[in-house]
Amino acid sequence: AQSVTQLDSQVPVFEEAPVELRCNYSSSVSVYLFWYVQYPNQGLQLLLKYLSGSTLVESINGFEAEFNKSQTSFHLRKPSVHISDTAEYFCAVSEAGRGSTLGRLYFGRGTQLTVWP
Amino acid sequence: DGGITQSPKYLFRKEGQNVTLSCEQNLNHDAMYWYRQDPGQGLRLIYYSQIVNDFQKGDIAEGYSVSREKKESFPLTVTSAQKNPTAFYLCASGSEVGRAYNEQFFGPGTRLTVL
Repeated sequence: AQSVTQLDSQVPVFEEAPVELRCNYSSSVSVYLFWYVQYPNQGLQLLLKYLSGSTLVESINGFEAEFNKSQTSFHLRKPSVHISDTAEYFCAVSEAGRGSTLGRLYFGRGTQLTVWP
Repeated sequence: DGGITQSPKYLFRKEGQNVTLSCEQNLNHDAMYWYRQDPGQGLRLIYYSQIVNDFQKGDIAEGYSVSREKKESFPLTVTSAQKNPTAFYLCASGSEVGRAYNEQFFGPGTRLTVL
């Protein structure tokens, strides 16, 4: 079975500081990787995704994530955070070759990022 | 505007009552999903459907039921058999069926509280 581990449930940082949200997964097959962001009392929005090609992917608002196959990780980083980045972030994976469960997403438990002024 | 709508946003029910949460999408997606979100537990899959008139149980289907009579609609019924139904419920849809890559689009959620 697929599993996704987000190592930190809470990450507090000051504005303009760098941040890294960690995500590790386990899978015996190829995977696609996603980061979603959730603001309070809202649904999830896709932040970025890794499908193939370059292992470094970027979002339009300055986040980036790097796929590391040997370490089975997909950590999310931002060099300088803003107060508006305060939200919960979810890492998710989907795996190939699983028949009717193709396309199913497996989510981590989430990391609450809080940016202080 | 294309998207996913869920109604109502807030829902209260008494113990022992069944309640149905609505989910509608106009993205022309084949696949639809229901998740339950509890603090600190992430999203857990309740049911999903890859095509009209067909659906599969997810990880926590007990106490829930669904139907998929139309492509656009995937209502979720929380029955009285669900022991702890208070949670935030999220509906999603995805365009890729039968492929590993499946970007899912989420609705705004329904917060259910059992009194």
